[in-house]
Amino acid sequence: EDKVVQSPLSLVVHEGDTVTLNCSYEVTNFRSLLWYKQEKKAPTFLFMLTSSGIEKKSGRLSSILDKKELFSILNITATQTGDSAVYLCAVDNYGQNFVFGPGTRLSVLP
Amino acid sequence: GAVVSQHPSRVICKSGTSVKIECRSLDFQATTMFWYRQFPKKSLMLMATSNEGSKATYEQGVEKDKFLINHASLTLSTLTVTSAHPEDSSFYICSAAWDTQYFGPGTRLTVL
Repeated sequence: EDKVVQSPLSLVVHEGDTVTLNCSYEVTNFRSLLWYKQEKKAPTFLFMLTSSGIEKKSGRLSSILDKKELFSILNITATQTGDSAVYLCAVDNYGQNFVFGPGTRLSVLP
Repeated sequence: GAVVSQHPSRVICKSGTSVKIECRSLDFQATTMFWYRQFPKKSLMLMATSNEGSKATYEQGVEKDKFLINHASLTLSTLTVTSAHPEDSSFYICSAAWDTQYFGPGTRLTVL
């Protein structure tokens, strides 16, 4: 059965902290792994990862994929209150479907 | 964990026909379901919020007469793409809200 697991499910930190969010997966035909940030309604696309070991960066956010160990991490450095959100990990099962993880709820306190 | 299913997973239709997509919460009751459309750069666009027993709330720019949403029960919402055209070809994803949003696997619509 295809599945995506995220950990931790929730996390509370203070501004300035660095956080690492984890996503592991088991799917039939992996094509890519996507990270989204969900604040209100529609998730905002962050990264798409297809190759192992290549870090993708956008400002204070970065992500990397390990296709051998079947996981990805999302790092956020120098967190700000505006980073508070649910971070979703999803795996594209080679165009057949998407498998979403449960999300990690991040709360950044001032 | 909570499971959301979508049916069909993939559909190909001719231009001008209507297509119905179902979204079901399998092990929980969802008073609210969301319908999204995925665009080429992997961003998800919220189309509408579906509330059981009442009319759906559509986001700005989404034609309610073209994308009909019915939330008939606490476990089922349907999206009907009426008079589909090739530009409607996309990946449609639903989610059901409980303690958080649980996403379905998506439906790939191809309009010829």
